[in-house]
Amino acid sequence: NAGVTQTPKFQVLKTGQSMTLQCAQDMNHNSMYWYRQDPGMGLRLIYYSASEGTTDKGEVPNGYNVSRLNKREFSLRLESAAPSQTSVYFCASTENRDLYEQYFGPGTRLTVT
Amino acid sequence: KQEVTQIPAALSVPEGENLVLNCSFTDSAIYNLQWFRQDPGKGLTSLLLIQSSQREQTSGRLNASLDKSSGRSTLYIAASQPGDSATYLCAKPAGGSNYKLTFGKGTLLTVNP
Repeated sequence: NAGVTQTPKFQVLKTGQSMTLQCAQDMNHNSMYWYRQDPGMGLRLIYYSASEGTTDKGEVPNGYNVSRLNKREFSLRLESAAPSQTSVYFCASTENRDLYEQYFGPGTRLTVT
Repeated sequence: KQEVTQIPAALSVPEGENLVLNCSFTDSAIYNLQWFRQDPGKGLTSLLLIQSSQREQTSGRLNASLDKSSGRSTLYIAASQPGDSATYLCAKPAGGSNYKLTFGKGTLLTVNP
């Protein structure tokens, strides 16, 4: 099992450019999440998908869109990148029952100049 | 807003020492509480998850306890080793739902040889 995988690992964008961060999990989990991690701010939830076909906003959704492509994949899109979106982005997943233990991917380090 | 607070923010100890990391939360009506480890430049690794019906959970040299009445959880690390050096984060469900987690900002642990 690869667990949760994310691509790319690193990315540098210019202000106004767009890009999509990809996430996939092979644990047959129902719920998937996108977080960002910033120094002094901790981890904050951007969007989540409780099940295939549904998405909901988290704490900091502005400037982002998501797509739950199928049960395995959950992508995060930045339509017009801004320097404030410089961060480390983590994808996570969990099964929707019992423990709700979340499993994280290795992260994407994004710099917007 | 529900908050999760971790004290201390940073801790440096000599190898072999037993230590306790603290996590406090404002909402005592929690479901599960999860402890994570994060190595520099890496994603989060789940260490222990304590269900709301449990008081503690153990894995090797790690023991996590949960006291819902006081809104506290502790992570006890026995006989610390340099390889334990990392940031430790606790997280609890947000808004009473297991779908979303609220994270503390973490404790940066350094174990000196």
